[in-house]
Amino acid sequence: QVQLQQWGAGLLKPSETLSLTCAVYGGSLSGHYWNWIRQPPGRGLEWVGEIHRSGSTHYNPSLKSRVTISLDTSGNRFSLELSPVTAADTATYYCASRHPSGSGSYVNWGQGTLVTVSS
Amino acid sequence: DIQLTQSPSSLSASVGDRVTITCRTSQNINGYLNWYQQKPGKAPKLLIYAASSLQSGVPSRFSGSGSETDFTLTISSLQPEDFGTYYCQQSYSSPTFGPGSKVDI
Repeated sequence: QVQLQQWGAGLLKPSETLSLTCAVYGGSLSGHYWNWIRQPPGRGLEWVGEIHRSGSTHYNPSLKSRVTISLDTSGNRFSLELSPVTAADTATYYCASRHPSGSGSYVNWGQGTLVTVSS
Repeated sequence: DIQLTQSPSSLSASVGDRVTITCRTSQNINGYLNWYQQKPGKAPKLLIYAASSLQSGVPSRFSGSGSETDFTLTISSLQPEDFGTYYCQQSYSSPTFGPGSKVDI
């Protein structure tokens, strides 16, 4: 059973860089897509982007110019950077892995990290 | 982007009731539709993938159906632990989620 554990800074000022990391336990990065999904307080879910073991990335078009997702294969982890941030980026950020069925669903989730952007 | 709408946005039901939530997409997504349950302060939990496949470990009272642009999540006999917000998600193109349907017991 794959488990995801995430961490990163929870309070940022506008124009700073959001940086989060997600470690994969009970599995390897091989053969899966690794995702970031966010949820503003009291609102719905928004897909941020994903990375494949090969290094191939796909990003939400609305965030593409500010997002970078990367892999650390030796550490079995992947990371999210979003820069520069504004108050609109305040949200709980989740890392997640795709279901192996190819359905594009998300079966394993991290615990979530609340990131607040405020001056 | 493919847009998703859900109805109802909220509902209140009793234990044992049959509950149906509908998700409509702005274009044909060839069955690439998934359902999640989220409880306050927790990550979403996958219930149904590919429109009708039950995720391992999810009770059989949950079922999904539909095709093209119209999809349904059904809870055959509502249980107290089924409260929460339910989201649909399309994975046919750049992933998007529905706005959610809140279920109160």
